[in-house]
Amino acid sequence: EPEVTQTPSHQVTQMGQEVILRCVPISNHLYFYWYRQILGQKVEFLVSFYNNEISEKSEIFDDQFSVERPDGSNFTLKIRSTKLEDSAMYFCASSGWNEKLFFGSGTQLSVL
Amino acid sequence: KNEVEQSPQNLTAQEGEFITINCSYSVGISALHWLQQHPGGGIVSLFMLSSGKKKHGRLIATINIQEKHSSLHITASHPRDSAVYICAVRGGGADGLTFGKGTHLIIQP
Repeated sequence: EPEVTQTPSHQVTQMGQEVILRCVPISNHLYFYWYRQILGQKVEFLVSFYNNEISEKSEIFDDQFSVERPDGSNFTLKIRSTKLEDSAMYFCASSGWNEKLFFGSGTQLSVL
Repeated sequence: KNEVEQSPQNLTAQEGEFITINCSYSVGISALHWLQQHPGGGIVSLFMLSSGKKKHGRLIATINIQEKHSSLHITASHPRDSAVYICAVRGGGADGLTFGKGTHLIIQP
């Protein structure tokens, strides 16, 4: 079965540093998402991306966050200046039109 | 904003038992997803449904749009079914999913 690939699996960074989380969605999918899950809490929507632009973003997705699909295969989430409260598991997901989501295995981000 | 409630929060059962996990939501939706999250954290999509019933192997998902309620059933449960089962909904016109807190299922041999 096709897979969504995320790298790195773990990222440790200092508060205030920039991080880029990378994802390779399934190749014929059109819709791309980032979700996050703080330890012990429910999964939360961050942003959706379609046709090379953001289609929806949540209140969490403030000016410190950005997404890019630089080359038609990668889909990245950048956090400009990390805060302690950004520590979470970040999941990338993709789907075709009106199809179930495929999730990556996640990047565990720890901000110290 | 949609509120998604799942019950029970925790469920421990014996191997072979029939399992039911419930999900209710507060606002009309375009689709409901059932997801499985294993201890390592990875999330697998089990079903996406907007009406009726779907079956895959030992798993059955149903949805009642009028009552804003969905159930996930597992027949002949097995220890490998132990995981967190999450209900998530997509509201009409929205892209992002709203998630429930999950049901932590343990199947004992």
